[in-house]
Amino acid sequence: QSALTQPRSVSGSPGQSVTISCTGTSSDVGGYNYVSWYQHHPGKAPKLMIYDVSKRPSGVPDRFSGSKSGSTASLTISGLQAEDEADYYCCSYAGSEVFGGGTKLTVL
Amino acid sequence: QVQLVESGGGVVQPGRSLRLSCAASGFTFSSYGMHWVRQAPGKGLEWVAVISHDGSNKYSADSVKGRFTISRDNSKNTLYLQMNSLRAEDTAVYYCAKNLWFGELWAPFDYWGQGTLVTVSS
Repeated sequence: QSALTQPRSVSGSPGQSVTISCTGTSSDVGGYNYVSWYQHHPGKAPKLMIYDVSKRPSGVPDRFSGSKSGSTASLTISGLQAEDEADYYCCSYAGSEVFGGGTKLTVL
Repeated sequence: QVQLVESGGGVVQPGRSLRLSCAASGFTFSSYGMHWVRQAPGKGLEWVAVISHDGSNKYSADSVKGRFTISRDNSKNTLYLQMNSLRAEDTAVYYCAKNLWFGELWAPFDYWGQGTLVTVSS
């Protein structure tokens, strides 16, 4: 499968909201409600932030939310904080797992 | 607490083999499917392989099929990735990751290790 399409970078100021998109096809994002989002600070272990499109694991702040429309999933981070600066990856079930190319979030 | 610790990475020549290990603790290892995911330098994450909780089902990405084999030893709480016929494009940090739900083969990854670097170079 081809990688899902994410913007290479997004940015926002502290307190603002940002949305990261993840575009796939009917064979992955559009075909299943199995989209997850991972936060990755370089050199550290990735962290699960959202699963099944919009569910948050315990311990993840409710500033993080997920949604999906058709073959595009989105991760929205509200009330941006400095520690949110990281790389974010979407992932979808597609018969196997396929990741997006990753989005670098910069908190200005 | 859940811990996943990868080991076995290093520098290896093209065409040679390497075996990675992932030592698990803090959960009932034998109840969860496990994955390997890699990240090449400057690139994004790429799913590599999955194994069911009992080792009976295994799948791998097309990019490694026929060269990499995932396995596990539930008596040792350890996951493995046997990598043969290594290529320069296999250079990456390799992470092991645990499934969120017990008993499932395909599931989100709720815990990841810190990764081990594999460099394929002559």
